[in-house]
Amino acid sequence: QSVLTQPPSASGTPGQRVTISCSGSSSNIGSNYVYWYQQVPGTAPKLLIYSNNHRPSGVPDRFSGSKSGTSASLAISGLRSEDEADYYCAAWDDSLSGPYVFGTGTKVTVL
Amino acid sequence: QVQLQESGPGLVKPSQTLSLTCTVSGGSISSGGYYWSWIRQHSGKGLEWIGYIYHSGSTYYNPSLKSRVNISVDTSKNQFSLKLSSVTAADTAVYYCARGLPADYWGQGTLVTVSS
Repeated sequence: QSVLTQPPSASGTPGQRVTISCSGSSSNIGSNYVYWYQQVPGTAPKLLIYSNNHRPSGVPDRFSGSKSGTSASLAISGLRSEDEADYYCAAWDDSLSGPYVFGTGTKVTVL
Repeated sequence: QVQLQESGPGLVKPSQTLSLTCTVSGGSISSGGYYWSWIRQHSGKGLEWIGYIYHSGSTYYNPSLKSRVNISVDTSKNQFSLKLSSVTAADTAVYYCARGLPADYWGQGTLVTVSS
């Protein structure tokens, strides 16, 4: 049912930079803010990025978000073992799919 | 520090109504102007937003679940609740309650299994 599409997996070695994409449409990413959540297996999701590119207090600046048109990206620089988790994008949606939709999720593996 | 805790039966029979309650501590539901949400996650799958309630009682539901969902709030107990009717095995999932959209505080989640 997800209307935001993410690659199922991404990986990198410690210290590398990993980028995750999130593709949407004009009714969601194209006209609203994008949010990113991190979910370590077995735990509740954690808000990582809000309003496209802002980090809540306590989130390392290794995590950064960006948005262009109907797509968004999450970048993790200086990859660390504790970054191994599932990452979800989300956005408000102005269509009948809404009003709040999540991405399909991306599993990040630290090699 | 705001904390949320889900509670309710872990096993529900098909065709019955799933009922969960979220107790909020460390903050008042009736202040702050937040949406209070329910979100679920099927095993090994992604997140699905179910709906939210505002402290005033106004609600908004996922269109795909709208006909079966009811979210209510009890400000005197600092709780909000989810009812999902006519459940099937497809409703088996971990159910989370959360504050806000985007959700900045989450409960730990509770697994609800639909089975006879």
